[in-house]
Amino acid sequence: ILNVEQSPQSLHVQEGDSTNFTCSFPSSNFYALHWYRWETAKSPEALFVMTLNGDEKKKGRISATLNTKEGYSYLYIKGSQPEDSATYLCAFIRLDTGGFKTIFGAGTRLFVKA
Amino acid sequence: NAGVTQTPKFRVLKTGQSMTLLCAQDMNHEYMYWYRQDPGMGLRLIHYSVGEGTTAKGEVPDGYNVSRLKKQNFLLGLESAAPSQTSVYFCASSYLVNTEAFFGQGTRLTVV
Repeated sequence: ILNVEQSPQSLHVQEGDSTNFTCSFPSSNFYALHWYRWETAKSPEALFVMTLNGDEKKKGRISATLNTKEGYSYLYIKGSQPEDSATYLCAFIRLDTGGFKTIFGAGTRLFVKA
Repeated sequence: NAGVTQTPKFRVLKTGQSMTLLCAQDMNHEYMYWYRQDPGMGLRLIHYSVGEGTTAKGEVPDGYNVSRLKKQNFLLGLESAAPSQTSVYFCASSYLVNTEAFFGQGTRLTVV
């Protein structure tokens, strides 16, 4: 069974706080890891596509790191704003003999209070 | 650009009825996917396609069929709907499997 675990399930922070979430995935047959931001009543939107061990990506106040050997990725938000309130999903992509498999975590729901 | 468009947005079916969900993308993407999203769970892949004329099973394919007759369209069919198929369905497309996916707005399906 392939499990992608995200922690915490939910997080409440004050405006201006910095925060981080974890995505844990199997370390074998790694192909790629994606992070998505999903606002209520909208569709998931891609934040980062990460493919190499040690990758670090940044977009504005949001950044992510990747460790494929130990099977985790961190997403950081610096100086959280109310508009950052959303569910953050990670998706683990692996390739095996049957093709590729994309497995999503259940997400971390972030609430930022003004 | 419309991106990824799903129709319909909402549907209520009776058990045993059939229906088809349509996904259309205008980005010339090779890969297209159908997911279902249930409370407390991550998005689960139902079927996917790596190009026109191809389909493959995902994590939860039972009870669903798909077709990709044209590159821009990916259809998801339910031949005999069951209450367990009550869910929100998302279509997505990507250029490659390791490039970002673009999602449709979702279809809320209720089977009574």
